[in-house]
Amino acid sequence: GAVVSQHPSWVICKSGTSVKIECRSLDFQATTMFWYRQFPKQSLMLMATSNEGSKATYEQGVEKDKFLINHASLTLSTLTVTSAHPEDSSFYICSATGAGTSVFEQYFGPGTRLTVT
Amino acid sequence: DAKTTQPPSMDCAEGRAANLPCNHSTISGNEYVYWYRQIHSQGPQYIIHGLKNNETNEMASLIITEDRKSSTLILPHATLRDTAVYYCIVRVPNAGNNRKLIWGLGTSLAVNP
Repeated sequence: GAVVSQHPSWVICKSGTSVKIECRSLDFQATTMFWYRQFPKQSLMLMATSNEGSKATYEQGVEKDKFLINHASLTLSTLTVTSAHPEDSSFYICSATGAGTSVFEQYFGPGTRLTVT
Repeated sequence: DAKTTQPPSMDCAEGRAANLPCNHSTISGNEYVYWYRQIHSQGPQYIIHGLKNNETNEMASLIITEDRKSSTLILPHATLRDTAVYYCIVRVPNAGNNRKLIWGLGTSLAVNP
């Protein structure tokens, strides 16, 4: 149980375009979802925390107008990278916690590799 | 900043125990120690967590010193599939009931045949 999926697993887009990444909890209701970014050979950096039905809380230095997060349902959160630039190329990972899951764990998706050309 | 320090890399022979140390000398009394691992280009995987007592599950054992300033993750019989980056994390409170995880650089464990 407690499976989180992401779609797409990888995406290539042109500079200036927007790309949407989906994060779904498949067998539990995700009341809280976290979005991370990871550059090569670096650790995970938390971008934002979102609670279902509420506005996301962004970490310091993360542009909320550039990285739009929507958590409209208990099983789906989306991250939209707007006007993407090559420096946005990274590995984006979501995680979730929620009803019926261990209060001690975050359940991670497999990640989405974004390449902006 | 991460509240933990770990060696950047370690090697282990297949079939032997892998002992991964972590220093968390500034840990607070109500903070838990978590271990996750990340296999290349995948999402992190939860391994184990503990507060004061030693813990064991089907994946690993966690040994926490009495003063709680350090811990060791033990993989009793390492396999090639255990090659990954292992993260030791201290859980800090975030807004409301959210519990933010602060990630350091972890230990890159290479299990060799």
